[in-house]
Amino acid sequence: DTGVSQNPRHKITKRGQNVTFRCDPISEHNRLYWYRQTLGQGPEFLTYFQNEAQLEKSRLLSDRFSAERPKGSFSTLEIQRTEQGDSAMYLCASSSVGASYEQYFGPGTRLTVT
Amino acid sequence: KQEVTQIPAALSVPEGENLVLNCSFTDSAIYNLQWFRQDPGKGLTSLLLIQSSQREQTSGRLNASLDKSSGRSTLYIAASQPGDSATYLCAVEVNYGQNFVFGPGTRLSVLP
Repeated sequence: DTGVSQNPRHKITKRGQNVTFRCDPISEHNRLYWYRQTLGQGPEFLTYFQNEAQLEKSRLLSDRFSAERPKGSFSTLEIQRTEQGDSAMYLCASSSVGASYEQYFGPGTRLTVT
Repeated sequence: KQEVTQIPAALSVPEGENLVLNCSFTDSAIYNLQWFRQDPGKGLTSLLLIQSSQREQTSGRLNASLDKSSGRSTLYIAASQPGDSATYLCAVEVNYGQNFVFGPGTRLSVLP
């Protein structure tokens, strides 16, 4: 068990560009979550998957955001036409019913939109 | 809509002190409550998970309690150390196995 990993760790992009982040959960975890965190705030829920099915999306997830989890393994979060307000830390977590859905977080991807 | 608050927002204590961090939530219909630690610029590290049927959990110098009826949880840290300096976040599970709602965190500084 190597924990939750996220790539890249840092991303700097120009406004209007598209970016994609990847999350690899703990291998036996069937649930995967995406959160966004801005400076001085707690994480805000974006979306979550059970296996490959996306079961819930927050209102924060505008139509510029899309997330996938093909084959129920890793997940990607894509932001199209980035805006400066998208600058934040994007966190991924995973959990399983066997651990009472205790969430384990990755190190995050810090996005800066210039 | 579930809202989570944490008091105090920041706390500075000398090494060796015992301290209590507070977490309040508006809707008592929660499943689990989880406490996390976050170091600057890093992800979250899980400290303790309290299931809705439990009243407290302990791990080493940490003890977390949960009172669902009053919408409160506390994290007690015994004999604080400089290495405990971090932001502590509580999160409540709104629906079983689904998303958590986080508080804004308490930034703790333990001075040597």
